[in-house]
Amino acid sequence: NAGVTQTPKFQVLKTGQSMTLQCAQDMNHNSMYWYRQDPGMGLRLIYYSASEGTTDKGEVPNGYNVSRLNKREFSLRLESAAPSQTSVYFCASRDRVGNTIYFGEGSWLTVV
Amino acid sequence: SQKIEQNSEALNIQEGKTATLTCNYTNYSPAYLQWYRQDPGRGPVFLLLIRENEKEKRKERLKVTFDTTLKQSLFHITASQPADSATYLCALGATNKLIFGTGTLLAVQP
Repeated sequence: NAGVTQTPKFQVLKTGQSMTLQCAQDMNHNSMYWYRQDPGMGLRLIYYSASEGTTDKGEVPNGYNVSRLNKREFSLRLESAAPSQTSVYFCASRDRVGNTIYFGEGSWLTVV
Repeated sequence: SQKIEQNSEALNIQEGKTATLTCNYTNYSPAYLQWYRQDPGRGPVFLLLIRENEKEKRKERLKVTFDTTLKQSLFHITASQPADSATYLCALGATNKLIFGTGTLLAVQP
C-alpha cells in the first residue's frame, strides 16, 4: 500500500499564479485533511473532508479551495498564490476506527 | 482562545536517559490525545493515542499520561537512543478534526 500520496513534492510559483496540489489515499478512509506547516506555527488545518461530497473550513482556509473528487482524492487549489502561502503542505487521511491520521510526505511550495 | 503548548526549546538528553516531553492545553475538552513523531523533511507519523478516560498508555519504550484536570499530557521515552532524535507533536482530538501543537525537538546525544 502506498498510503497517502501527494504531488508535487516541490513547486515554485510566482505571485498571482494558480496551482493545485493533488492527494490520494488507498486506505479507504472517509476523512481527509490538508494542513500547512510553518516554523513556530506547527501544523494548521486548512480544510477537511469528513466524507465524500463534503468539505469544511479549518483554521486557515483563506486563499484556498478544495475538491473531494471521490473517496480517494482530495485536492487543494491556490487560485492566486501569495508569498504568505509559502509553506510545507501535508495531506492526510484518518482511520475512523483508531482515529489515527496518516500523513503524506509533504509538498514544499515557494511563492516568489 | 484554544491553545496547545509544547516546549518550544529543544530538549537535549544523554543516551540511555528518559526523555519527558510536555503538552499543555487550554479551552479544550478533547476526547483523546495523540503523539506523533516527525523527522526532517517527512510527514508526521503516529505513535500513541490515549483517551480521556485513560490515565496512562504504554508501547515498548514509550509511555503517555493524560491528566484532564491539569489539562496536560506527558510523553516519556525510556532508555533513549540517538535514533529517537526527532520532533514530537501532540494533537488533540475533537469531532472530525485533530489540532496539533507546535512540537518539541528532541536531541539524544551518544
